[in-house]
Amino acid sequence: AQSVTQLGSHVSVSEGALVLLRCNYSSSVPPYLFWYVQYPNQGLQLLLKYTSAATLVKGINGFEAEFKKSETSFHLTKPSAHMSDAAEYFCAEAPDTGRRALTFGSGTRLQVQP
Amino acid sequence: DAGVIQSPRHEVTEMGQEVTLRCKPISGHNSLFWYRQTMMRGLELLIYFNNNVPIDDSGMPEDRFSAKMPNASFSTLKIQPSEPRDSAVYFCASSLGARDRPNYEQYFGPGTRLTVT
Repeated sequence: AQSVTQLGSHVSVSEGALVLLRCNYSSSVPPYLFWYVQYPNQGLQLLLKYTSAATLVKGINGFEAEFKKSETSFHLTKPSAHMSDAAEYFCAEAPDTGRRALTFGSGTRLQVQP
Repeated sequence: DAGVIQSPRHEVTEMGQEVTLRCKPISGHNSLFWYRQTMMRGLELLIYFNNNVPIDDSGMPEDRFSAKMPNASFSTLKIQPSEPRDSAVYFCASSLGARDRPNYEQYFGPGTRLTVT
């Protein structure tokens, strides 16, 4: 069965510091991969997606993610954290079957310290 | 577009009562998903529909849960009878894709926070 692993349920960074949120996928075929962000008391919002085009994907709010097949990873980064980036981040993988439902990771809560 | 609309936003009910959560997907979208989010279990897919037909309900916890999609613009998730362990945030999401060109990008509603006492 497919699985998405997010290393670290909580990550804390200082404002202005690099943000790195880790995600590893399990699919053996080139997958579709997503990062979603959830702000407090809101639904999930798409941050960026990888669909077999460029391996470095740029998203909203200055975030980007790099697809590395050799490492089965899709880590999310942002060069300089802002207080408004504090949220929960979910990595997700599209199915390699006819199903349409994404497989979500368990989420990483990002705290940004002033 | 107004996005995915869910109602109510908050629901507090007593154990044993019937609860109905509602969702209006984005117009034109042909897939609809119901999720449940709790601290303990994270984000769980309950059921999803494609072209109003339930495709996978393996995530529905038990017979107390049922979901319907009578038309392309409306879906309900019903819990009867409700129990305290059903307390969670329930999200609805929708997406648009063709059989030969699936689009997995999902748009989420704001969620319904359910509290069963």
